[in-house]
Formats: sequence, structure tokens, C-alpha cells
Amino acid sequence: DTEVTQTPKHLVMGMTNKKSLKCEQHMGHRAMYWYKQKAKKPPELMFVYSYEKLSINESVPSRFSPECPNSSLLNLHLHALQPEDSALYLCASSWDRSYEQYFGPGTRLTVT
Amino acid sequence: GIQVEQSPPDLILQEGANSTLRCNFSDSVNNLQWFHQNPWGQLINLFYIPSGTKQNGRLSATTVATERYSLLYISSSQTTDSGVYFCAVAGTNAGKSTFGDGTTLTVKP
Repeated sequence: DTEVTQTPKHLVMGMTNKKSLKCEQHMGHRAMYWYKQKAKKPPELMFVYSYEKLSINESVPSRFSPECPNSSLLNLHLHALQPEDSALYLCASSWDRSYEQYFGPGTRLTVT
Repeated sequence: GIQVEQSPPDLILQEGANSTLRCNFSDSVNNLQWFHQNPWGQLINLFYIPSGTKQNGRLSATTVATERYSLLYISSSQTTDSGVYFCAVAGTNAGKSTFGDGTTLTVKP
């Protein structure tokens, strides 16, 4: 099974709200990723976790706060977002950082 | 970081035609993947191919790492092949993947 699940599928939030995106995999993968994809653009890497530790932060603003509570779960906490943060947020996982990545279906976020 | 360039940006085919998509990259890579993104945004894995040649049904891919390019071949195209095809690469900084801008393929019946 190569499934990565993400919840919610859609999220609308105001600029003063706090919300969280959730990503889960049960493939025993030790690396997990967050990407952001704007319309008609390629995905852009935001964060990489390896063995539950943050290993790459692509200079993402602090209003995005990742968390990896265990090896199967990855969260992205959102606070005080801007309308330009509206995008498709994709989670991925891989056996290790050099291996094939598998993507979830994404969360479509709209910030009003 | 690694630069990734995909060509052509757009491709329109009649059903049954063959096509070749290209991905050029600027440095040595440890990881190269081809994806198909469907209209709902799901990225579907096509190939994990940092080097060599692989085939899966009507699709095949070749990566020539020494010359820094990869090719994706689609034969006997079908309307369901429509969508955006991305190449993603990672170099010595494992896990730091960079996507190309993609090729948008439209297959007409």
C-alpha cells in the first residue's frame, strides 16, 4: 500500500484563524515532506522531516509551523495567514530522504 | 540549488500519437522522479529513475545522468493521459527536491 492521506480536503480560513493540516502514512517511511503548490505552478518544497526531526526548512514564514508527533504523522499548523497563502498543500513521504516520494491528495486552502 | 527545465511547456496530440517529454537538470542528481498530476491535483508516480531506462506499459523513461537529462516517452496516447507531467530532482542534499515547471499534455479524441 503506497497511500498517504491528508485531511481536510478543503479548508477556508480567515486571516486571524488558527488551523492545522494533517498528513498520515502507514508505510513505515522515515521521511515526510510538506509542499505548497500555487495554481499553474510546480510544487515547492517547504519542510522535510527525517526520523521525526526537522532537517530542511526552505525559509518558510513562521506563520507555518510544522510538527511531526510520530513517524506516521505530520501536521502543519497555520496561524495569521495571508490571502496569498491560498494554495494546494501537498504532503509526501519516502523510505528515506533519497528514495521515491509518494504524495497525498492535498488540502486546498483558501485564506479570506 | 539545482535548476530543472522541462520541454515542451505545452503539447497537443491526437489520440494514438506518440510523444517525448524532456527534463534537463543543472547538476548531479541522486533522485529523479516523473509524475503525472491529474485535474484534481493528485501527483501520480510514474517513474523513479535517477539513471537508466524503465518501462511501464505505454510509458517508458530514460535518464542519462552524465549528460544531465531525462526523457519520458508516451506511446499510443489516450485522452486519459492528459494533464501536467512533472520532473522532480534532488541532488546531494537528499530530500531537497526541485520540480520543473511541467509539460501540459492535451490528448484530443
